[in-house]
Amino acid sequence: GAGVSQSPSNKVTEKGKDVELRCDPISGHTALYWYRQSLGQGLEFLIYFQGNSAPDKSGLPSDRFSAERTGGSVSTLTIQRTQQEDSAVYLCASSFLGPGGEQFFGPGTRLTVL
Amino acid sequence: QKEVEQNSGPLSVPEGAIASLNCTYSDRGSQSFFWYRQYSGKSPELIMFIYSNGDKEDGRFTAQLNKASQYVSLLIRDSQPSDSATYLCAVKGGSQGNLIFGKGTKLSVKP
Repeated sequence: GAGVSQSPSNKVTEKGKDVELRCDPISGHTALYWYRQSLGQGLEFLIYFQGNSAPDKSGLPSDRFSAERTGGSVSTLTIQRTQQEDSAVYLCASSFLGPGGEQFFGPGTRLTVL
Repeated sequence: QKEVEQNSGPLSVPEGAIASLNCTYSDRGSQSFFWYRQYSGKSPELIMFIYSNGDKEDGRFTAQLNKASQYVSLLIRDSQPSDSATYLCAVKGGSQGNLIFGKGTKLSVKP
């Protein structure tokens, strides 16, 4: 596809359940980033992949959050035992180069934890 | 703690005026600077990037960078109501891989 795609676009879950969010970057982009944005807040960095490795996981808020990337392409962000404070829009971005390259964002996944 | 600061606004300008959006950053080693536009309920859209001191122009947009003052700005000439959005400043620091985003400035262009 022409842009970054994310699925699902919306996810409503119950507290304590696990969720998986998917990101499909722009073809050929080597770097992939996950951010989250709470209502009315700025972008919070979560994790960054260069290829399949994650040199920077510093933004993951707790050990309930994990992410992987396979084949240098699709990435999955997993949140275990979701909490209400996890409710946010989760945004994925990709860039052709590594750090410093222009990042292009997907449409996001809106996660609501009841 | 590396920070990027923006005035939250709202910044209100009349249609046709110049809108000036400002951003300061704390990491003197920062290398790359980006401006994103985010419409309500949408994801950020890259509109400008600048790496060197000085001005960079693209259509109605001009990005200005002053590394000595740790200051980057975005000028929007001939502002249109469709420019009404939140503008996010993002900075890549000298050592880390991720961009650090400011909280954004909300711009309102009145017809």
